[in-house]
Amino acid sequence: ETGVTQTPRHLVMGMTNKKSLKCEQHLGHNAMYWYKQSAKKPLELMFVYSLEERVENNSVPSRFSPECPNSSHLFLHLHTLQPEDSALYLCASSLIWGAGDTQYFGPGTRLTVL
Amino acid sequence: GQNIDQPTEMTATEGAIVQINCTYQTSGFNGLFWYQQHAGEAPTFLSYNVLDGLEEKGRFSSFLSRSKGYSYLLLKELQMKDSASYLCAVRDESNTGKLIFGQGTTLQVKP
Repeated sequence: ETGVTQTPRHLVMGMTNKKSLKCEQHLGHNAMYWYKQSAKKPLELMFVYSLEERVENNSVPSRFSPECPNSSHLFLHLHTLQPEDSALYLCASSLIWGAGDTQYFGPGTRLTVL
Repeated sequence: GQNIDQPTEMTATEGAIVQINCTYQTSGFNGLFWYQQHAGEAPTFLSYNVLDGLEEKGRFSSFLSRSKGYSYLLLKELQMKDSASYLCAVRDESNTGKLIFGQGTTLQVKP
């Protein structure tokens, strides 16, 4: 248990569906991250929020829309996804968005797009 | 460009020692992390190196050589529960928390 929770743990959706992934951290951290983990590929950073402000957006398609209503919660809204978006989506948090700080990960949401 | 290289798979025997290597070519360097990830679970933090040398934590040690762009994770007295993926990640910018990850090394420990 790392103090970062994600729901749902598994999600199957069609290409026309709209769904949301939720992340919550109980560590008092100020930075939160979304990563995509595909088979045989490195973790890819998608978005970073620091103090509820988006500070990093790594050329992610607009069908992925993040939201950070407060420093403890992070959402990833999904719409009109493609089958190649099927992957493990990991949330992480760290005390600050800065050098030397360790990121702590949630267990991930396994997403399958049909 | 940015590149982190690790072996894809390794196998070792219970009770033995295994070394997982990581080489990196990045535009800058501000620390290297090792994470352990069991199948279907969250990556968990193992170690952080920012200066050259060896950091020891129980059965796990991590080494860094900045001049060679090289790190290794050393696992001693291997246990079956050490079967997992080991991720190497580099922070290449000094003013952000952005990490560049390798693809991970899947370690299988056999009896």
